[in-house]
Amino acid sequence: SSELTQDPAVSVALGQTVRITCQGDSLRSYYASWYQQKPGQAPVLVIYGKNNRPSGIPDRFSGSSSGNTASLTITGAQAEDEADYYCNSRDSSGNHPFVFGTGTKVTVL
Amino acid sequence: QVQLQESGPGLVKPSETLSLTCTVSGGSVSSGSYYWSWIRQPPGKGLEWIGYIYYSGSTNYNPSLKSRVTISVDTSKNQFSLKLSSVTAADTAVYYCARGEMATIIHWFDPWGQGTLVTVSS
Repeated sequence: SSELTQDPAVSVALGQTVRITCQGDSLRSYYASWYQQKPGQAPVLVIYGKNNRPSGIPDRFSGSSSGNTASLTITGAQAEDEADYYCNSRDSSGNHPFVFGTGTKVTVL
Repeated sequence: QVQLQESGPGLVKPSETLSLTCTVSGGSVSSGSYYWSWIRQPPGKGLEWIGYIYYSGSTNYNPSLKSRVTISVDTSKNQFSLKLSSVTAADTAVYYCARGEMATIIHWFDPWGQGTLVTVSS
């Protein structure tokens, strides 16, 4: 299957922890990468591989994976973390090299 | 620091061909094991991977778009390009170029261009 499913929206209180999940069969074979997108801006890579952060990404962002589910956790959410988040994976079926998740809107209260 | 910048017409007529170029600065399209990619996002919707050209010149496309897509590279200009033929209103989107990397079971797209809005309308 080449689908990655995410919850449409989640909310988190300022300073609290939120976990965003991404489900799909391909995640049993490949790690997900995660992207943050703020309104009117291009997506930005925040996590890739087992739990790798690009330079400049705060350490409050972390990733994990288990079975067919990948997760992005924001520990101590800040107002600037309010954004859309997309997961992305390679496709284990071989028919669709890359597929993006449906996206999750994170609101910081 | 590698930077990518999309360019091309912002308005394309239905049934015509959409053509965009991505200019790479701070790095070379012909060096390293990179997958130079195109990704699009219809207004208010999610991201869709369109395809890539590998630094060696090989290509791979989204099966849903494969019959209409061509991605090519111009090493002399340090650019790669997207052509999407027979466009309809459904192809209206912000088009992003991005650099992809893969290592066994790990992959990522970084950096991305700022994106360019292409509207299909007569």
